[in-house]
Amino acid sequence: AQSVAQPEDQVNVAEGNPLTVKCTYSVSGNPYLFWYVQYPNRGLQFLLKYITGDNLVKGSYGFEAEFNKSQTSFHLKKPSALVSDSALYFCAVTPGNTPLVFGKGTRLSVIA
Amino acid sequence: DSGVTQTPKHLITATGQRVTLRCSPRSGDLSVYWYQQSLDQGLQFLIQYYNGEERAKGNILERFSAQQFPDLHSELNLSSLELGDSALYFCASSALGLEGYEQYFGPGTRLTVT
Repeated sequence: AQSVAQPEDQVNVAEGNPLTVKCTYSVSGNPYLFWYVQYPNRGLQFLLKYITGDNLVKGSYGFEAEFNKSQTSFHLKKPSALVSDSALYFCAVTPGNTPLVFGKGTRLSVIA
Repeated sequence: DSGVTQTPKHLITATGQRVTLRCSPRSGDLSVYWYQQSLDQGLQFLIQYYNGEERAKGNILERFSAQQFPDLHSELNLSSLELGDSALYFCASSALGLEGYEQYFGPGTRLTVT
């Protein structure tokens, strides 16, 4: 069965600094990987996905993620954090024929 | 706005009662998913429907059931409610039943069981 680990419950970063939210996964076969963001009192919003191809995936709001097969990781990154990026971030994985499995989420706090 | 609508936004009910949550997917999306989000369990997949048929089942209790209607809207029925059922319930939709397609989430229904 597939699984996702987001090792940090909380990430704090100063505005303007680069940010990284970590995700590692376990899945049989080739993974489909996703990042979603949840703002307070809102549903999850799709940020980006990796299906195949270039290991560096660019998504919404300036976010990108790097797929690393050998380390089974799919870390979310942004070169310069904004206060408005503060939210709950979820990584999710599927082998393609079963529903997504989500991580527990990482709360990102960007401090002005 | 994702294009997925859910009603009601909030629901407060007593233990032992039954409630129905409603979801309308994005226009053209055939697949509907239901999730439960609670503080201690995170985001749990409950069930998926594709074009009216049940496609996949997750951690859905026997007291819970769902269906997708011919107009593609879906309902999640929760019965014999317990305090532990208090949570946010999300519906999501995607274009197809294939899991490589991103899901679009509704704003959720917050259920409080007292």
